Amino acid sequence: NAGVTQTPKFRVLKTGQSMTLLCAQDMNHEYMYWYRQDPGMGLRLIHYSVGEGTTAKGEVPDGYNVSRLKKQNFLLGLESAAPSQTSVYFCASSPQAGIYNSPLHFGNGTRLTVT
Amino acid sequence: AQKITQTQPGMFVQEKEAVTLDCTYDTSDPSYGLFWYKQPSSGEMIFLIYQGSYDQQNATEGRYSLNFQKARKSANLVISASQLGDSAMYFCAMREPLSGGYNKLIFGAGTRLAVHP
Repeated sequence: NAGVTQTPKFRVLKTGQSMTLLCAQDMNHEYMYWYRQDPGMGLRLIHYSVGEGTTAKGEVPDGYNVSRLKKQNFLLGLESAAPSQTSVYFCASSPQAGIYNSPLHFGNGTRLTVT
Repeated sequence: AQKITQTQPGMFVQEKEAVTLDCTYDTSDPSYGLFWYKQPSSGEMIFLIYQGSYDQQNATEGRYSLNFQKARKSANLVISASQLGDSAMYFCAMREPLSGGYNKLIFGAGTRLAVHP
């Protein structure tokens, strides 16, 4: 069972380039999230989705866009990459019951470097 | 305002000893959940243990237990009989309400644990 799969695992971009990170889950979860992890700051929520066709902003949404056209997929886009977006990106999902007592299921992360 | 505080950037413990990783939180919501995750050097996030605000007993999962002190707003992780494989970054997280009745997890900055043989 795959769980949450993120592609790619690593990427190097030049400033101003664009890219899309793909997250796919096979657990039929309603909720999906994109976090970024930076040293000393834990994980911060970028965008989230509570169902197919819905997205919303998290704590640090600037410079990112997302789409959830299919329930199992959650895409994170960088239209014009900046060095400040160098980070490790994690996708996560959880069931419709929310996360009151169920943990998030995380992908293995994407390490992005913007030069 | 910081909602989850992990005051120990790094901790060391001798193999087979117990270690406590600190976590304090701040919330005005009477209903909340607290989670601990482990992140080994390989990078994945591994769920360890959960404590609900209304749970009467401290949560335990194998060698992991949670020292939950509600009045002090602390949820410290205790790892008993440390093993070399416990060396990792540990994150405390709390469920926080989002608009529309949904929730998200907010994370502390993490504590890096090193287990010495």
